[in-house]
Amino acid sequence: EAGVTQSPTHLIKTRGQQATLRCSPISGHTSVYWYQQALGLGLQFLLWYDEGEERNRGNFPPRFSGRQFPNYSSELNVNALELEDSALYLCASSLILEAFFGQGTRLTVV
Amino acid sequence: AQKITQTQPGMFVQEKEAVTLDCTYDTSDPSYGLFWYKQPSSGEMIFLIYQGSYDQQNATEGRYSLNFQKARKSANLVISASQLGDSAMYFCAMIIGSSNTGKLIFGQGTTLQVKP
Repeated sequence: EAGVTQSPTHLIKTRGQQATLRCSPISGHTSVYWYQQALGLGLQFLLWYDEGEERNRGNFPPRFSGRQFPNYSSELNVNALELEDSALYLCASSLILEAFFGQGTRLTVV
Repeated sequence: AQKITQTQPGMFVQEKEAVTLDCTYDTSDPSYGLFWYKQPSSGEMIFLIYQGSYDQQNATEGRYSLNFQKARKSANLVISASQLGDSAMYFCAMIIGSSNTGKLIFGQGTTLQVKP
């Protein structure tokens, strides 16, 4: 069974641009979570999607947004990129309680 | 406040020995779940073990066991017979069952280095 897959693995953008990160959950999982892991910091909760709806978001500005598609895959969009947005972005999927993570997208803003 | 505390930024262990990684949690909600994840340098978060707040027995998964002491609000991870491949960052995390926010609350992590 395929795990959570994220693309791209690495992404380099310049300040002010937009970044789009993608996540495909484990088959049958309806919930997708996004986390940001900045260098030297723990994981910060970004967004939770379930059944196509945004259920909860963390303490991040509105330029962090996303959506979940009918097949439960998800996109995270970051607009007006800032240097401090450079981080590892992890996606996780879950059916009931346990969350399984993808390998992450390493976003670098220059 | 809901919080996970991992007080050991870094740990060393000799190969084949056991090691305990500390985790304490804070919540007033009676329904919660506790997780441990391993993050190697590649970045992927690997699920290791789960303990529910109502589980009577300590969780075990192969060489991993969770020492759950509810009264002390601790959920330490014990790795037996350490291997070189166990060198990684380890995160303790908590989800609050009744609030259904979907949010995993993570600790700051512990870096484990296994020495040959």
